[in-house]
Amino acid sequence: NAGVTQTPKFQVLKTGQSMTLQCAQDMNHNSMYWYRQDPGMGLRLIYYSASEGTTDKGEVPNGYNVSRLNKREFSLRLESAAPSQTSVYFCASSEALYPILAFFGQGTRLTVV
Amino acid sequence: GDSVTQMEGPVTLSEEAFLTINCTYTATGYPSLFWYVQYPGEGLQLLLKATKADDKGSNKGFEATYRKETTSFHLEKGSVQVSDSAVYFCALSDSGAGSYQLTFGKGTKLSVIP
Repeated sequence: NAGVTQTPKFQVLKTGQSMTLQCAQDMNHNSMYWYRQDPGMGLRLIYYSASEGTTDKGEVPNGYNVSRLNKREFSLRLESAAPSQTSVYFCASSEALYPILAFFGQGTRLTVV
Repeated sequence: GDSVTQMEGPVTLSEEAFLTINCTYTATGYPSLFWYVQYPGEGLQLLLKATKADDKGSNKGFEATYRKETTSFHLEKGSVQVSDSAVYFCALSDSGAGSYQLTFGKGTKLSVIP
């Protein structure tokens, strides 16, 4: 099925370890986003990419880096994981810079111990 | 800044019961309002939207009316089904803050029992 694919689905890290969350979309969308979802809170935007070759900070970018590898792929990197980064991470994409109509992936549940 | 407040959950209803999930907002500009739904193990999906005062958004039997005078956008459904069990998020997009910014409420978990 067409859509947004995230890998991995689950991950446990030790404090200080690094990892990259992968996201790919096959809808030829221009814009992509990374959100985090914490218990009792709505989604918060970490980074977004309006188009291939551009990235911008969202509401909560500290501790993260992103790469828009090509039009299909948008990765999120944690250089030195902290327990505060324990969360569910969602990647999303939309045809234009209009996240209201974005398609979301199934999420990556990350635990930092 | 912009904010969205929605009723605390969880909400448990019997099948065919009436549903209301309250949502109120504060915004500096003239926001568009949305309800998103997240089914277990899935990402968010847009459920309905309203872009100006007195608009009514509707989809899958759910409705919400944009009330500027009360700054509210309450979600309603006349007869819920087990398949409606999910987490519901109210959200706004304030054109003054840029079209890429969505402000979400904390979510309300709905469980419908047969």
